[in-house]
Amino acid sequence: NAGVTQTPKFQVLKTGQSMTLQCAQDMNHEYMSWYRQDPGMGLRLIHYSVGAGITDQGEVPNGYNVSRSTTEDFPLRLLSAAPSQTSVYFCASRPPTGGGTDTQYFGPGTRLTVL
Amino acid sequence: RKEVEQDPGPFNVPEGATVAFNCTYSNSASQSFFWYRQDCRKEPKLLMSVYSSGNEDGRFTAQLNRASQYISLLIRDSKLSDSATYLCVVRNSGNTPLVFGKGTRLSVIA
Repeated sequence: NAGVTQTPKFQVLKTGQSMTLQCAQDMNHEYMSWYRQDPGMGLRLIHYSVGAGITDQGEVPNGYNVSRSTTEDFPLRLLSAAPSQTSVYFCASRPPTGGGTDTQYFGPGTRLTVL
Repeated sequence: RKEVEQDPGPFNVPEGATVAFNCTYSNSASQSFFWYRQDCRKEPKLLMSVYSSGNEDGRFTAQLNRASQYISLLIRDSKLSDSATYLCVVRNSGNTPLVFGKGTRLSVIA
């Protein structure tokens, strides 16, 4: 199993550009989520999904869109990049509650800089 | 008040020392508790789950006090490789998002 994969690893954008951060998992996990991590702020939840076709907002959803058309993929779209979105983005997945484990697996992260 | 609070550190300790991290959570309905470890510029990874009876994994001991809403992690005989940020994590109920503390940074010095 590859686990949780994210692409790209690094990205530089100009203010106003849009882009999609890709996330995929091959563990058949229903639950997936996106976090951003900034110095001194810890991990902050952007959006999450409890299954294909279902998404919900987290703590800091503004400026980001998500969709979940398949169990495996959970892309994060930046609509119009701003310097405040410079951050490290982590995608994560975990099995449904009661499935025997609560372990949440993270991808390696995407380091995004917005100029 | 943040839902999960930790002392940010840094904790600078010599090799071989014993170090303890504490964490408090505000939601009395929280159901599951964990410690995650995050190395510099890497993703967080599960270190251990925390059970009501307390649990141990080698040099690591985790304890939970539901009455005080308090979680602890004890590391004995610290190694250089233990240097990392330790994240206290709580799941409230059902299929809800995990709630992460901001983390406590540990540096083990030779």
